[in-house]
Amino acid sequence: IAGITQAPTSQILAAGRRMTLRCTQDMRHNAMYWYRQDLGLGLRLIHYSNTAGTTGKGEVPDGYSVSRANTDDFPLTLASAVPSQTSVYFCASSDGSTTGGLTDTQYFGPGTRLTVL
Amino acid sequence: GQNIDQPTEMTATEGAIVQINCTYQTSGFNGLFWYQQHAGEAPTFLSYNVLDGLEEKGRFSSFLSRSKGYSYLLLKELQMKDSASYLCAVLLRSNDYKLSFGAGTTVTVRA
Repeated sequence: IAGITQAPTSQILAAGRRMTLRCTQDMRHNAMYWYRQDLGLGLRLIHYSNTAGTTGKGEVPDGYSVSRANTDDFPLTLASAVPSQTSVYFCASSDGSTTGGLTDTQYFGPGTRLTVL
Repeated sequence: GQNIDQPTEMTATEGAIVQINCTYQTSGFNGLFWYQQHAGEAPTFLSYNVLDGLEEKGRFSSFLSRSKGYSYLLLKELQMKDSASYLCAVLLRSNDYKLSFGAGTTVTVRA
């Protein structure tokens, strides 16, 4: 693996179902992020983690949960999917979010296209 | 809340120059990033400005004026492969550092 990977690439899901989007990075980055991207709205932060064992809420956290058991993995769970969660989901990582500057350059995974019917 | 504005779409001719403006009204400003995103792909890092002035990197340059809350990305000698969305993102500090993104500008390069 080189960089950051996401799975699945795409998924069609029935409303009410539980779904976990996977994200793995091999860059030993401290910080990881989950965004959703919707047409005309840009990237919006769902949840983030500054370091393994800690998580925080972003701009649009409702209906989503995350965990950060180790440095490499940052799964995003939709406990009971709703049609408004139809979106493209991007995971990203950065070297650090406590110093500011170029170390906060975020590197993005290829995305997961999720459709909730 | 944070307010980051950039034009929705721009069209230019191959070989020309295009300037994408970004204005922001935010609290806790700690720098500005530009990302490029081709359709169906992930955003990729282009530039970072934290001090006022122009940063040049090959055909791409980025400018920042902190007092005016203004940045631009300049794309020179446009090529067809430059057709993409360009995302302006402000690095904000509250308890920690996070990026706040504009909606993006879609640039179409025509032959």
